[in-house]
Amino acid sequence: KAGVTQTPRYLIKTRGQQVTLSCSPISGHRSVSWYQQTPGQGLQFLFEYFSETQRNKGNFPGRFSGRQFSNSRSEMNVSTLELGDSALYLCASSLTETDTQYFGPGTRLTVL
Amino acid sequence: AQSVTQLGSHVSVSEGALVLLRCNYSSSVPPYLFWYVQYPNQGLQLLLKYTTGATLVKGINGFEAEFKKSETSFHLTKPSAHMSDAAEYFCAVNPNNAGNMLTFGGGTRLMVKP
Repeated sequence: KAGVTQTPRYLIKTRGQQVTLSCSPISGHRSVSWYQQTPGQGLQFLFEYFSETQRNKGNFPGRFSGRQFSNSRSEMNVSTLELGDSALYLCASSLTETDTQYFGPGTRLTVL
Repeated sequence: AQSVTQLGSHVSVSEGALVLLRCNYSSSVPPYLFWYVQYPNQGLQLLLKYTTGATLVKGINGFEAEFKKSETSFHLTKPSAHMSDAAEYFCAVNPNNAGNMLTFGGGTRLMVKP
C-alpha cells in the first residue's frame, strides 16, 4: 500500500506570494492533519480534517488555510507569504480521527 | 494545555551502548503517547505508541518505552545502539485522545559513535 504522498517536495517562493501544498493520504484513510516544522518552533499542529470537515485548528494566523476533498486528498494554502513561513510542512493521515498517524516526506518551503 | 518535554536536545552514545531518550508530559489525564523518528530529509516514522493497557510498549527496530503515570514519563530505550539509529527522535502526546492533533516535544538528536 502506498504511503502518504506530498507534492511538491520542494518549493521556493518570494514574500507576498501565496502557495498551495498537496497531500494524498494512504488509501482508505479519512483523516488528514498538517504540521509545520521549523528549527525555532519545532513541530506545530496546523489543522486536521476528517471527512471534508475541519475538526481542529492550531494557533496559526488566518493566512494559513486548508481543505479536504471527497477523496480525502487535502490541500493547504498560505497567502501573503512571510520569511518566517519557511519550513517543512508535513502531512499525516490516519484511518479514523483517533487512529495512528502516518506521515508523508514533507514539502520544504523556502520564502525569499 | 498539554506539553511535552524532552530532556537533552542532543544525546551521544557509542555503538553497542544503551540508548535512553527522556520524555515527560504534563496532563491531567493519561494521554496517548507516541515516539516518532525522523531521518534527514524525511518525514516522521512511528516507533511505538501507548494508548491503554500494558505500560511497557515494544516498537520497531528494538526500541521500547515505559509509561510511568506517577512520573508522567514515557522514556525511550534500546539496549544496544546501532549506527543506523542516528536520527532525531520526537515524543508526542495526543492531548484529548480524540482527533488527530499531536503535541510534540522539542526533539532529541541521537548521535552514535563508532
